[in-house]
Amino acid sequence: EAGVAQSPRYKIIEKRQSVAFWCNPISGHATLYWYQQILGQGPKLLIQFQNNGVVDDSQLPKDRFSAERLKGVDSTLKIQPAKLEDSAVYLCASSLYKGPGGEAFFGQGTRLTVV
Amino acid sequence: AQSVTQLGSHVSVSEGALVLLRCNYSSSVPPYLFWYVQYPNQGLQLLLKYTTGATLVKGINGFEAEFKKSETSFHLTKPSAHMSDAAEYFCAVDNAGNMLTFGGGTRLMVKP
Repeated sequence: EAGVAQSPRYKIIEKRQSVAFWCNPISGHATLYWYQQILGQGPKLLIQFQNNGVVDDSQLPKDRFSAERLKGVDSTLKIQPAKLEDSAVYLCASSLYKGPGGEAFFGQGTRLTVV
Repeated sequence: AQSVTQLGSHVSVSEGALVLLRCNYSSSVPPYLFWYVQYPNQGLQLLLKYTTGATLVKGINGFEAEFKKSETSFHLTKPSAHMSDAAEYFCAVDNAGNMLTFGGGTRLMVKP
């Protein structure tokens, strides 16, 4: 079974530029998450999708971050414009189950450096 | 609101020694608890999870954890550390509908 795919693996941009990350979840997984992991910290949930609908985006900085999951499969996360504090690893995860307790499978992440 | 505290951002043990990584949580409802491991430049991999039933949970690679409701703890242990166990370990709680809240992580170092 293929895992969660993310691209690119690494990205370096200047502040105020825009950037987009792509995620392809495990086939059949209805739930998709984006997490932000700042160096030295645990991952923090940015947004959760159930199919193509948003379940929770309370921690997404909506003035600069946006995410979509068209057709309930692939997802993109965009930052526009980027700030220095956005430097982090962006992790995508997917889960088969709707309810709590289900295992989330993580991709390798995209490491973003904003200079 | 739920939260997770991992005591000790860095833990160092000798190869063959006991591994103990501490995790305490706060939750307003019975929680689901997880331990994930992250190797350098990799995503997170599930080690084990507690949902209901037996409070002692066994996971992969010889790790286990015990859910203690009275202590709001879910500490991770392994009887004998191996060099390959060196990684970052994250405790997480889920009690809000399949959304994980992670602790700050503990980096485990294993000395030869």
